[in-house]
Amino acid sequence: GAGVSQSPSNKVTEKGKDVELRCDPISGHTALYWYRQSLGQGLEFLIYFQGNSAPDKSGLPSDRFSAERTGGSVSTLTIQRTQQEDSAVYLCASSWGQGRTDTQYFGPGTRLTVL
Amino acid sequence: QKEVEQNSGPLSVPEGAIASLNCTYSDRGSQSFFWYRQYSGKSPELIMFIYSNGDKEDGRFTAQLNKASQYVSLLIRDSQPSDSATYLCAVTGYKLSFGAGTTVTVRA
Repeated sequence: GAGVSQSPSNKVTEKGKDVELRCDPISGHTALYWYRQSLGQGLEFLIYFQGNSAPDKSGLPSDRFSAERTGGSVSTLTIQRTQQEDSAVYLCASSWGQGRTDTQYFGPGTRLTVL
Repeated sequence: QKEVEQNSGPLSVPEGAIASLNCTYSDRGSQSFFWYRQYSGKSPELIMFIYSNGDKEDGRFTAQLNKASQYVSLLIRDSQPSDSATYLCAVTGYKLSFGAGTTVTVRA
């Protein structure tokens, strides 16, 4: 079946503009994660959705960042008033969300460049 | 203290040697442990998971878990140039937490 998809694959924007990044998880997966990865760095957790529960937003770096997940499927990460330090690869992952072997499957990422 | 810590690397090994990667975690209640591989410019992909103490082997990869010491490792036997990548340790508590990764270079 289809894996996790993300769009756009690349996004170049000017400082101060808003951007929206989209993630389509694997069908049936209840858990969805957003991560950020700066060049040469590890994965930075941003936000976690699990079913109908309130999302875990503990990783969002500032109030310029927000995310929603509509109908328990597609998710959109929005960054308002982008700054140059927001430049990174934004990765989305999904999983079944249960069981100790619950495995996250990653999308190809969106490379965001803020000029 | 970070939730998940990995040996910083980079780790350079000759082709055919064993690469040993280490990971420690802080949450004693962690249940499951994952190793992901990430090639440069690509997304992480799962290599294997382990949740019981001891060793788990999958081809040239062996994961080792010691919950008492809060330690998990990954051994890559007969290392190949295609194993050159960054290896991420991930630990499940409430949610999956990733280490910063160890970059491995296999010299031909």
